[in-house]
Amino acid sequence: QQQVKQSPQSLIVQKGGISIINCAYENTAFDYFPWYQQFPGKGPALLIAIRPDVSEKKEGRFTISFNKSAKQFSLHIMDSQPGDSATYFCAASILGNEKLTFGTGTRLTIIP
Amino acid sequence: NAGVMQNPRHLVRRRGQEARLRCSPMKGHSHVYWYRQLPEEGLKFMVYLQKENIIDESGMPKERFSAEFPKEGPSILRIQQVVRGDSAAYFCASSPRGANTGELFFGEGSRLTVL
Repeated sequence: QQQVKQSPQSLIVQKGGISIINCAYENTAFDYFPWYQQFPGKGPALLIAIRPDVSEKKEGRFTISFNKSAKQFSLHIMDSQPGDSATYFCAASILGNEKLTFGTGTRLTIIP
Repeated sequence: NAGVMQNPRHLVRRRGQEARLRCSPMKGHSHVYWYRQLPEEGLKFMVYLQKENIIDESGMPKERFSAEFPKEGPSILRIQQVVRGDSAAYFCASSPRGANTGELFFGEGSRLTVL
């Protein structure tokens, strides 16, 4: 019930391409869906987040698409750059209780 | 404005010893969360604390693990009689009281190696 499933486990994208990472959740009480970015040896940092009252949120090159009926959400990175190479985690929580349930992570590598 | 501070960054212990990990939240933050990250895995929630209170410890192993967040000083995650399976990165995160933003601010983690 608390699970968040993330795919793919790893992803290689050419510079300038679009990186897409997908997540699915089970608990319909979740109402906050953030994406965290983690570089090696560092802690995760919030990248972008969405509430279920909108279907899409865009910040710069990063976009979250949200499908409430399918209980799925995805991260799109446009014009991917080598500096985007990192591990990305989707997560979900109930707003007001910042206890996050994380996906298993996607290791993204952007190649020249 | 300093971020979440964790220490030690790296800790090596032999089986049966105790490990103590410390976390100072961001200034103005009174909520602290501990997460564990095993190699090649996501972060697993362990415990949520406010000053002098454990709010949610549903992710804590029943034995050997304990956490506290005293009125003064950092939050402490304590692991007694460590075993090799405790080897992991332990992350602390904080959030401001009443902010209701959902965002957690993470430290850089404490990496525990049990020999």
